[in-house]
Amino acid sequence: NAGVTQTPKFRILKIGQSMTLQCTQDMNHNYMYWYRQDPGMGLKLIYYSVGAGITDKGEVPNGYNVSRSTTEDFPLRLELAAPSQTSVYFCASTRGNTDTQYFGPGTRLTVL
Amino acid sequence: TQLLEQSPQFLSIQEGENLTVYCNSSSVFSSLQWYRQEPGEGPVLLVTVVTGGEVKKLKRLTFQFGDARKDSSLHITAAQPGDTGLYLCAGRSGNTPLVFGKGTRLSVIA
Repeated sequence: NAGVTQTPKFRILKIGQSMTLQCTQDMNHNYMYWYRQDPGMGLKLIYYSVGAGITDKGEVPNGYNVSRSTTEDFPLRLELAAPSQTSVYFCASTRGNTDTQYFGPGTRLTVL
Repeated sequence: TQLLEQSPQFLSIQEGENLTVYCNSSSVFSSLQWYRQEPGEGPVLLVTVVTGGEVKKLKRLTFQFGDARKDSSLHITAAQPGDTGLYLCAGRSGNTPLVFGKGTRLSVIA
């Protein structure tokens, strides 16, 4: 059982480049989340989805976009990368909103 | 905006010592969770508490939810090097998404 998988594990971008962070879960969870974790700052919610076709902004959505065309996949898009987006990005999923969140291993992104 | 303050931010102790870390807020939460995160990995859930005053034990770890459901503590007895990691508390109010604290980074030295 793979759980939540994220690709890539590491990426370096130049300012202004774009990229998509992939997230897939095989647990048939309805809820999926994207967080960023900066040193000493805990986890901040970027976007979340309560089911296929439905997405909502979290605390720090600016500079990011998401889509949820299937239950399994929840990609995060950076259109114009900025140094402020240097962070570790975690995807998570839950069966219901109050259940355990299962996290992926993270993507470490550096924007230079 | 709901805020969760965790203290201390860093803690370094010797193997065998006891410790307590805290998670405080001015907001009331319907549930509170504790996660542990090891370097290079995502957080892993340790426990969920939902009732004011609730105490849950997980081997050498004891979790308590405050009576007013605004705060929580995690006590570790006889800490071991395997307890090293970042401990995160996260609270939820109703159907809103989880709010995470900044974490306590624990280092247990053998």
